[in-house]
Amino acid sequence: SQQGEEDPQALSIQEGENATMNCSYKTSINNLQWYRQNSGRGLVHLILIRSNEREKHSGRLRVTLDTSKKSSSLLITASRAADTASYFCAPMEYGNKLVFGAGTILRVKS
Amino acid sequence: DTAVSQTPKYLVTQMGNDKSIKCEQNLGHDTMYWYKQDSKKFLKIMFSYNNKELIINETVPNRFSPKSPDKAHLNLHINSLELGDSAVYFCASSPGTGFYGYTFGSGTRLTVV
Repeated sequence: SQQGEEDPQALSIQEGENATMNCSYKTSINNLQWYRQNSGRGLVHLILIRSNEREKHSGRLRVTLDTSKKSSSLLITASRAADTASYFCAPMEYGNKLVFGAGTILRVKS
Repeated sequence: DTAVSQTPKYLVTQMGNDKSIKCEQNLGHDTMYWYKQDSKKFLKIMFSYNNKELIINETVPNRFSPKSPDKAHLNLHINSLELGDSAVYFCASSPGTGFYGYTFGSGTRLTVV
């Protein structure tokens, strides 16, 4: 089965800068989700974008989806030290299986 | 109140033993899942239950057996533990299948020695 593949694997930025993470997947999906995982903790759901949507916002998060390119991006604006975490994209395949990649490790330096 | 709670948080055991991990959710969700996260942080789905019915059963060794006594509980029993079973196991739940985000537990770190 497919998985989301995140790029870059790791990202280090200064507080206040924007962070962009990309995700690619292989087959048709009905939605795509992004999650955050702080070290040693469970995953936290951030945002869900449906396959017929192109962009979605939630607070400082902006997610785009391009189904023709089978790709998505997560933008975190005005990053904070507390945003330091791993970020996972998870395409949901038809059949309702949420499949995760290995994540992008984001480090925000204060 | 913890929404999705797993016990135990840490489990260290010897090869060949049998162990169980318990999961409970108090969100009233219909669907529950088990995921395995390996040392490279890659998350793989193992099982999913919807209203106590098994709906996803990935290719995992049959030493792993899930049990859902009711829709608020999903337990994972592992027989004859092997070194390669060492990982973090996450339970999750969602209101149903499809267009829902998942709520994850905090994980059970299993170490087989």
